[in-house]
Amino acid sequence: GENVEQHPSTLSVQEGDSAVIKCTYSDSASNYFPWYKQELGKGPQLIIDIRSNVGEKKDQRIAVTLNKTAKHFSLHITETQPEDSAVYFCAASRFIGVGGATNKLIFGTGTLLAVQP
Amino acid sequence: GAVVSQHPSWVICKSGTSVKIECRSLDFQATTMFWYRQFPKQSLMLMATSNEGSKATYEQGVEKDKFLINHASLTLSTLTVTSAHPEDSSFYICSARQPPTDTQYFGPGTRLTVL
Repeated sequence: GENVEQHPSTLSVQEGDSAVIKCTYSDSASNYFPWYKQELGKGPQLIIDIRSNVGEKKDQRIAVTLNKTAKHFSLHITETQPEDSAVYFCAASRFIGVGGATNKLIFGTGTLLAVQP
Repeated sequence: GAVVSQHPSWVICKSGTSVKIECRSLDFQATTMFWYRQFPKQSLMLMATSNEGSKATYEQGVEKDKFLINHASLTLSTLTVTSAHPEDSSFYICSARQPPTDTQYFGPGTRLTVL
């Protein structure tokens, strides 16, 4: 079945450094890739997403890159701050289009990011 | 971004009782909502997909008679855990898909503890 692998499982960086989290998906038909940030005891918060028609998307300190050929996508956080500390989940889905069958997100296993002050 | 709420945020109940959790999309209409379960330090596990006006679609291994889902309106889906047992204790999270895209926004979650 569909699978999303995520690495690393834990990541510790110094404040101000960059952090990179990588995911690999198995379903070549996947075309939508969101990233979620989950703080302890809270629900996941969408931080950025990318669709298969672009290779990179950036939003301030956060960027996501997509390599469809290799079925890889990555989250890049620059100038990390202590408030970036959380668990980050990648996900993949196959959006068929308006009126199509309901898609579901396949989640990675999560990365615990710790930003040391 | 779009806002999804859940109620209650936490609940403690006795074994054998039923518990209802509500999920609401506050600023958009959601024809599709999803229910997840999450154990400590683990990823989200999809339990079921809830479509407004039709029966929910359950994932393999999820008991539909134990986890009753009702999506009666475009802004409200409910999950009822029937005859709850301690092993049902978990963090339950809903999400709502904002049409016409497939972007899912998550609620804050409900912590269920069954004694």
